[in-house]
Amino acid sequence: EVQLLESGGRLVQPGGSLRLSCAASGFIFSNYAMSWVRQAPGKGLEWVSVINGGGEETYYEDSVKGRFSLSRDNAKNTLYLQMNGLRAEDTAVYYCAKGRLWSPLQDDIFDMWGHGTMVSVSS
Amino acid sequence: SSELTQDPAVSVALGQTVRITCQGNSLRIYSASWYQQKPGQAPVLVIYGKNSRPSGIPDRFSGSTSGTTASLTITGAQAEDEADYYCNSRDGSGKRFFGGGTKLTVL
Repeated sequence: EVQLLESGGRLVQPGGSLRLSCAASGFIFSNYAMSWVRQAPGKGLEWVSVINGGGEETYYEDSVKGRFSLSRDNAKNTLYLQMNGLRAEDTAVYYCAKGRLWSPLQDDIFDMWGHGTMVSVSS
Repeated sequence: SSELTQDPAVSVALGQTVRITCQGNSLRIYSASWYQQKPGQAPVLVIYGKNSRPSGIPDRFSGSTSGTTASLTITGAQAEDEADYYCNSRDGSGKRFFGGGTKLTVL
């Protein structure tokens, strides 16, 4: 059974840093692109970032570029999102989502999602 | 443009057919995928590609695209279909984006 388990979300002050993790199981992790998608309270889904199966290629939504960094450890089947310079508008549930293919340039489908981890940015 | 536009809310009588639409220039090139999200739950993929359903998604869900408009059709809507629905696509640079979502009410 495919499982994605996010962790690391908490309350943090503006300007602070946080690292989210997503532990994957039930599939060959290194074969698939992985993404983070967030959802602010009461709002819609917003794609944040994607990484290819090998971890060499990343893409970011414009508002997080330069502040967030996506990486993966295929030996540990874990995806990471390093979040720096956090702002109030980054407050959201952050979901880890699995792609269907290795390269994010071939496919934009999220076929499995975790249950999310809440990040709150407030003083 | 990377924007995808959805109607904020749509309603359908139980057992009737409803179409939820998503408009955007990227849809001329890239297919839309559709996600169902119920309150307090993670999104679930319901339609992808030209009209493919993941395992476990009922065949009352179907998808289509014409020009810059993608549609999700539910034929014979059930009470359990009441949810928010989001379309998703991408541009050629690797970025993805979602529509604003449509809240479906089953009457």
